[in-house]
Amino acid sequence: DTGVSQDPRHKITKRGQNVTFRCDPISEHNRLYWYRQTLGQGPEFLTYFQNEAQLEKSRLLSDRFSAERPKGSFSTLEIQRTEQGDSAMYLCASSLGGAGVAYNEQFFGPGTRLTVL
Amino acid sequence: DAKTTQPPSMDCAEGRAANLPCNHSTISGNEYVYWYRQIHSQGPQYIIHGLKNNETNEMASLIITEDRKSSTLILPHATLRDTAVYYCIVREGKLIFGQGTELSVKP
Repeated sequence: DTGVSQDPRHKITKRGQNVTFRCDPISEHNRLYWYRQTLGQGPEFLTYFQNEAQLEKSRLLSDRFSAERPKGSFSTLEIQRTEQGDSAMYLCASSLGGAGVAYNEQFFGPGTRLTVL
Repeated sequence: DAKTTQPPSMDCAEGRAANLPCNHSTISGNEYVYWYRQIHSQGPQYIIHGLKNNETNEMASLIITEDRKSSTLILPHATLRDTAVYYCIVREGKLIFGQGTELSVKP
């Protein structure tokens, strides 16, 4: 399967614990995006990378959230001191991007569903 | 960012065409119109995109008005598996999802 993969698919944690999610994009894609989706809402943009550089972060991404893409391949999203309000589906997407790319079809992974008790 | 307006829900009979409208009156000249859909408990799936001209692929057709202020996604022969939330998005780079249209295809 050459699509976007995410691990784990489900995570249940207690309030105050730290969690880390991983995303493996489509191998030739240089852009990687993180979104968060709560029940009944559309996905909300959190951050994106072009290669290893984090180019944009949403105001939704509080200081407790950090994302990395150290070698321009897979990415991790860490949430420190989780709160019940962090319960959501965390989606990762990848695409080609940059000069010469006129549009931006993003391919999404299946998501990681986080439940904070 | 250009905002989009979509009806919250629509029904369609199986085998009939589903026409999903979207208003994007503040779209700028270099912004594409993208359509994605999200089937329950899955990640969003790209359907089609367009700039000025009408577009067709194996999944759907996209009709964009001449002034580019609105568009319609057409599923020519809807099936039960097309039941999903459909998002119309106008943005370069990151995607700004609205509430979308929840399409229910009924037998």
